[in-house]
Amino acid sequence: GAVVSQHPSRVICKSGTSVKIECRSLDFQATTMFWYRQFPKQSLMLMATSNEGSKATYEQGVEKDKFLINHASLTLSTLTVTSAHPEDSSFYICSAREPGLNTEAFFGQGTRLTVV
Amino acid sequence: QQQVKQSPQSLIVQKGGISIINCAYENTAFDYFPWYQQFPGKGPALLIAIRPDVSEKKEGRFTISFNKSAKQFSLHIMDSQPGDSATYFCAASMRGSNYKLTFGKGTLLTVNP
Repeated sequence: GAVVSQHPSRVICKSGTSVKIECRSLDFQATTMFWYRQFPKQSLMLMATSNEGSKATYEQGVEKDKFLINHASLTLSTLTVTSAHPEDSSFYICSAREPGLNTEAFFGQGTRLTVV
Repeated sequence: QQQVKQSPQSLIVQKGGISIINCAYENTAFDYFPWYQQFPGKGPALLIAIRPDVSEKKEGRFTISFNKSAKQFSLHIMDSQPGDSATYFCAASMRGSNYKLTFGKGTLLTVNP
């Protein structure tokens, strides 16, 4: 299957700083990318849907100014956690799908964010 | 409102046994039903998926059974192996929503040697 690369795999940052997570589709062009958050032993919670060249669509309850999403190209989407706090510590996962009728979504390997 | 209900929450199976995980959905507009496998610290990986126009799909040891009238689908893992120990998520999506996935809560499968 197609490959989605997420970077970094782990990051530790201090409270109040911002951290950027990158999601790249390596062998296909992804018009749509999704960002999820996953707490330990829980399911994936969709945060937002990003479409290349347009503003992201955020799920209810997700702070747009807190979680900045940019989908500047067909192969790259970024999630920036701004002014991070310990409660933002979580596992963040992106996924991407190719344009057209192919419904399969390919997931990145996830980023473990720890805010200290 | 949880649109995809998954059970059981955890499952212990002996090596060589059959693992069965069930999901039920509410939204009849869903038209794509994948199952994902996730190992600790990793992103989910697609195992197998089905569309509502077929009642069963088999790939190797993994089979999806789909019951459209009951709005239920299940994953069967035949000849379960210790390497299958992971968390399994069912999901559903539909056209017109960018095919965004709605996930079940997950099943932690442990296969004992």
